[in-house]
Amino acid sequence: GAGVSQSPRYKVAKRGQDVALRCDPISGHVSLFWYQQALGQGPEFLTYFQNEAQLDKSGLPSDRFFAERPEGSVSTLKIQRTQQEDSAVYLCASSTGLAGDPGETQYFGPGTRLLVL
Amino acid sequence: AQKVTQAQTEISVVEKEDVTLDCVYETRDTTYYLFWYKQPPSGELVFLIRRNFFDEQNEISGRYSWNFQKSTSSFNFTITASQVVDSAVYFCALSEDGNNRLAFGKGNQVVVIP
Repeated sequence: GAGVSQSPRYKVAKRGQDVALRCDPISGHVSLFWYQQALGQGPEFLTYFQNEAQLDKSGLPSDRFFAERPEGSVSTLKIQRTQQEDSAVYLCASSTGLAGDPGETQYFGPGTRLLVL
Repeated sequence: AQKVTQAQTEISVVEKEDVTLDCVYETRDTTYYLFWYKQPPSGELVFLIRRNFFDEQNEISGRYSWNFQKSTSSFNFTITASQVVDSAVYFCALSEDGNNRLAFGKGNQVVVIP
């Protein structure tokens, strides 16, 4: 596809359930990012991949959050034992991305809106 | 630590008026990059502009213009002759050398009234 795609677009989970959010980056993009956006706030960084390597996971809020990108393309963000405070929009972004080039423009997907009841 | 401040939360303007969005950044790095993104109601963040730390030349793209001033650590965004389609949340963001993450401000909600 032409842009970053994410699925599902909306997810409702009961507290304690596990969820998996998928991101398909722009074809050929090396770098992939996950952000969390709470209502009325700017996105907050979660984690960053270069190809299949997770180079920065310092933004993951707890060990219930886990991300992977096993083949260097599609990525999955998994949240275990969801809590109400996990309710947010989860945004994925990709960039052509070379190591040490922080100025690369990141292109965002439409996000997955997660609601934990 | 990097920080971006967008002081105005919601701005309402009548169509055809100009609107300026302020962005003030903080960074200890000498190498950094600044961005503006638009988030319409659909939710997707749309890239508008990137500015390198060394390039203080102002830029104009159609009705959009940007004013980058290192002396005041500001990267302001002006929409000229606003239109209803400009209604969205606009985010300013910063990335630093050696750190690929974007740090976003809280955003400016722009409402253009027809």
